[in-house]
Amino acid sequence: DIQMTQSPSTLSASVGDRVTITCRASQDISNYLAWFQQKPGRAPKSLIYAASSLQSGVPSNFSGSGSGTYFTLTISSLQAVDFATYYCLQYRTYPLTFGGGTKVEI
Amino acid sequence: EVQLLESGGGLEQSGGSLRLSCAASGFSFSAHTMSWVRQAPGKGLEWVASLSVTGRNTFYADSVRGRFTISRDNSKDTLYLQMHSLRAEDTAVYFCALGPGTMALESWGPGTPVTVSS
Repeated sequence: DIQMTQSPSTLSASVGDRVTITCRASQDISNYLAWFQQKPGRAPKSLIYAASSLQSGVPSNFSGSGSGTYFTLTISSLQAVDFATYYCLQYRTYPLTFGGGTKVEI
Repeated sequence: EVQLLESGGGLEQSGGSLRLSCAASGFSFSAHTMSWVRQAPGKGLEWVASLSVTGRNTFYADSVRGRFTISRDNSKDTLYLQMHSLRAEDTAVYFCALGPGTMALESWGPGTPVTVSS
């Protein structure tokens, strides 16, 4: 199985900050990497697929990069609505595997 | 607009069974792979199972293989998860998701909670 290691697990930031979350795969997954945002009590929301493609309607202050085994999610200017938990997902092969999550808090 | 709505969750005893349903609308259900993902209380996301367009190809997490069965009825635009031999560790919110496809797991339902009491 492909292991996804996400860091940090918690990130303290302020409105306006630039934040970066990383995700490492235990083997090459090409660009089969997605990012999700989840708020308490809500379903995850897809932000990015294919490592760097924004889902429709996602604000442009979100961006993704990487390929192979190293990936990043960057929020260029953190907004109040962006405080949430973020997960990466590899969908290169089954079993699909998620990272452990990064909680972005004030 | 894609809509996914899960139902069928609830409280069940250890060893019991439940069947979850996911009603889909707003897209061509029969043309997409579908999945179930769960989240235990206070924990992260865990992929459970996926099912191909035709229903012939199924994929399961080791933790549920042999106990859970994913299926679909394309005439009803509905995805199912039959769960048997439930364990306390199956307690979670179960989400239905569209994919994985080109855009990964692109849409999710609000989830249905399952509680297994020991």
